[in-house]
Amino acid sequence: EPEVTQTPSHQVTQMGQEVILRCVPISNHLYFYWYRQILGQKVEFLVSFYNNEISEKSEIFDDQFSVERPDGSNFTLKIRSTKLEDSAMYFCASTSFGTGELFFGEGSRLTVL
Amino acid sequence: AQSVTQLDSQVPVFEEAPVELRCNYSSSVSVYLFWYVQYPNQGLQLLLKYLSGSTLVKGINGFEAEFNKSQTSFHLRKPSVHISDTAEYFCAVKSGSGGSNYKLTFGKGTLLTVNP
Repeated sequence: EPEVTQTPSHQVTQMGQEVILRCVPISNHLYFYWYRQILGQKVEFLVSFYNNEISEKSEIFDDQFSVERPDGSNFTLKIRSTKLEDSAMYFCASTSFGTGELFFGEGSRLTVL
Repeated sequence: AQSVTQLDSQVPVFEEAPVELRCNYSSSVSVYLFWYVQYPNQGLQLLLKYLSGSTLVKGINGFEAEFNKSQTSFHLRKPSVHISDTAEYFCAVKSGSGGSNYKLTFGKGTLLTVNP
């Protein structure tokens, strides 16, 4: 069964460092998302991406965040200068017309020290 | 703006007992409703969804949920739980009836612990 895959599963970084989280959405999907879950809190929407551009972003998604689809298969989330409060589980998701649901990856846990 | 409230952060039950996990939402427009499950160290897996039609929705692993528009609820139920049902359960809502932009609003989650 097709699935969304994310790498790395866990990354530890120092505050101020750049981090790139990678996702491979399901191959025929057209809409891509990043969500995050700070430990003990809700899963929160960060950004949606369609047709090679951001279609919507939340207040959390400030200038430190960016997304890119560098080729036909990958979808990346970059945090330019990580802060302690960026420590969270980051979920990638994808969908397309008629599926009626979001398909999530297993998440990338980011720990900022 | 929409919001989702899961009233119980933790629900402990014994194996083979029935369980209900509560979810209430607020939205000024029509909604799609979802329950996701997260097993330890895994991603979010869709349990079931309400898009339209029958208000009683059946999902995987014997779970079902009922959409109640007047009470703005979408409670999840299972008549007899197993140890393997131990997981975190998330209720989510997508507002609007069309489009493929799945910006979901999630509840805080309910940790279901099934004890032998």
